[in-house]
Amino acid sequence: ETGVTQTPRHLVMGMTNKKSLKCEQHLGHNAMYWYKQSAKKPLELMFVYNFKEQTENNSVPSRFSPECPNSSHLFLHLHTLQPEDSALYLCASSQELTSGNTIYFGEGSWLTVV
Amino acid sequence: SQELEQSPQSLIVQEGKNLTINCTSSKTLYGLYWYKQKYGEGLIFLMMLQKGGEEKSHEKITAKLDEKKQQSSLHITASQPSHAGIYLCGADPGNTPLVFGKGTRLSVIA
Repeated sequence: ETGVTQTPRHLVMGMTNKKSLKCEQHLGHNAMYWYKQSAKKPLELMFVYNFKEQTENNSVPSRFSPECPNSSHLFLHLHTLQPEDSALYLCASSQELTSGNTIYFGEGSWLTVV
Repeated sequence: SQELEQSPQSLIVQEGKNLTINCTSSKTLYGLYWYKQKYGEGLIFLMMLQKGGEEKSHEKITAKLDEKKQQSSLHITASQPSHAGIYLCGADPGNTPLVFGKGTRLSVIA
């Protein structure tokens, strides 16, 4: 139990589908993140939210749409994805966005686009 | 942008043996984090190093930070099957979220 919960753990979707990944943190943190992990690549930062406001969008295609309704919840809305978007999507949180704050990760959502 | 290189990329050791994993940064390290990941799961935080020369231990895992060399090492003593997984280092660039290496895949065989 890491304090960061992601659902679903596994998702298979067609290229024309619309789906969402959900993340909830129970740690009272103010910053939340979406990372993408593909085979043989470093973890890629996608989005950063601080006090519900998006502070970073790392040139992510618009077919990925994040939503942060409050500091405890983060969503990643998926629409018209491509097979190369298949990956492990990791949500994370930290107390603050500033240097020295440990980032804690959820267990990830495995996404397969067919 | 900051890049982290981990070596080796993969490692197979016999149970009970010691091993070391290295993480080298292309830029100054303001902080270095070590995480462990089991395949297909999330990252588990192991430890954070912030000061040059700092050394931390958790059970049989010890990490050191060499600020001058922009490098950190993770040492496991008397490896066990439970140590198997992917070890990732993450660097704190100082003004943006963590940057990660590609990871080192560790297998421990009986």
